[in-house]
Amino acid sequence: DAKTTQPNSMESNEEEPVHLPCNHSTISGTDYIHWYRQLPSQGPEYVIHGLTSNVNNRMASLAIAEDRKSSTLILHRATLRDAAVYYCILRGSNSGYALNFGKGTSLLVTP
Amino acid sequence: GAVVSQHPSWVICKSGTSVKIECRSLDFQATTMFWYRQFPKQSLMLMATSNEGSKATYEQGVEKDKFLINHASLTLSTLTVTSAHPEDSSFYICSATTSGGANGELFFGEGSRLTVL
Repeated sequence: DAKTTQPNSMESNEEEPVHLPCNHSTISGTDYIHWYRQLPSQGPEYVIHGLTSNVNNRMASLAIAEDRKSSTLILHRATLRDAAVYYCILRGSNSGYALNFGKGTSLLVTP
Repeated sequence: GAVVSQHPSWVICKSGTSVKIECRSLDFQATTMFWYRQFPKQSLMLMATSNEGSKATYEQGVEKDKFLINHASLTLSTLTVTSAHPEDSSFYICSATTSGGANGELFFGEGSRLTVL
């Protein structure tokens, strides 16, 4: 399976933008880049996904590098409720279209 | 958004007993469901993939006779932990999708916390 690399943890101040990086240098041409987040003792929650073009939704933006070997999840204004573990996952046929979770990035948001 | 519900949210059982966890897609038909487990301070680990009406596909190292998965309808999948032991204590999470392929989101349940005494 194509792997992703994320920082173990990041910290942000409330109401400031947050840029969560993800490297996926072995991505295949048909892999989609998915982002999920998980709050303690809860199931993961979908954030955003994309293939080649940048994507925006009400939760976040996803910036995908032109060579697709990296991407960045952007939270435009962090709130305390955004404190979670964020997972960057490649989803494709090699994994049976399942999501294989790595360690993710633990985001701490301080007031 | 689509809702996936798990039941029970938590369960405590004695060693040697079997426990069944249900995963329901409440407002959509799930062609594929995935089961995960998560130990404390660790990431989610995929256990198996189940398609409605077919036998589940288990990940390497997951005992299919111990973790029985049934996906009898498009809205219900069950995971039965047979002859549970303390090392099976974990957070079990299901997810469901309406479409095949890599495009589209997965919807996750709230998780079921199993404690085996």
